[in-house]
Amino acid sequence: KAGVTQTPRYLIKTRGQQVTLSCSPISGHRSVSWYQQTPGQGLQFLFEYFSETQRNKGNFPGRFSGRQFSNSRSEMNVSTLELGDSALYLCASSLRPGGDEQYFGPGTRLTVT
Amino acid sequence: QKEVEQDPGPLSVPEGAIVSLNCTYSNSAFQYFMWYRQYSRKGPELLMYTYSSGNKEDGRFTAQVDKSSKYISLFIRDSQPSDSATYLCAMRNTGNQFYFGTGTSLTVIP
Repeated sequence: KAGVTQTPRYLIKTRGQQVTLSCSPISGHRSVSWYQQTPGQGLQFLFEYFSETQRNKGNFPGRFSGRQFSNSRSEMNVSTLELGDSALYLCASSLRPGGDEQYFGPGTRLTVT
Repeated sequence: QKEVEQDPGPLSVPEGAIVSLNCTYSNSAFQYFMWYRQYSRKGPELLMYTYSSGNKEDGRFTAQVDKSSKYISLFIRDSQPSDSATYLCAMRNTGNQFYFGTGTSLTVIP
């Protein structure tokens, strides 16, 4: 069974730009969660989607948004990028919200200059 | 105060040693406890999960949860160089939200 895939793997953007990251969950998994990982803060929960609906949201500004498609693939968007948005963005899939097992993708490394 | 506290290390041990990794938490609503391993440039990989207080063993790994003390541990027996990674504890609350520790970096020296 193929794992969680994320594209692109690496991205360099400048301040003020926007970016869209993509995540394809494991086949059959309908829940997708997004996390931001930085050395100082560790993994921080951004949001979770299930059946195309946002089920949970972390404490991030409105510049961070996401969506899920009918095939469970998910995208997250960050608008008006700031230097502090540089991080590894991880996507995790599970069978259902808050599922017993979350499986993570390799992440997208975003650098904002 | 963070919801989940984890000593970042780094921790360096000789091959074959027993490793103890620990996390504390403050929220009694956490009911589901996990340990992840993350290699450099990879996403976290789920190692173990448990709902209840007590021990859960899987091969060389033992997860221990003490809900009364709000303390969880991961023990690695007969540590191998391939165990060198960052270990993350994670917890889920009744609202199905996950909280992670910042990770402990482990190096097992051959």
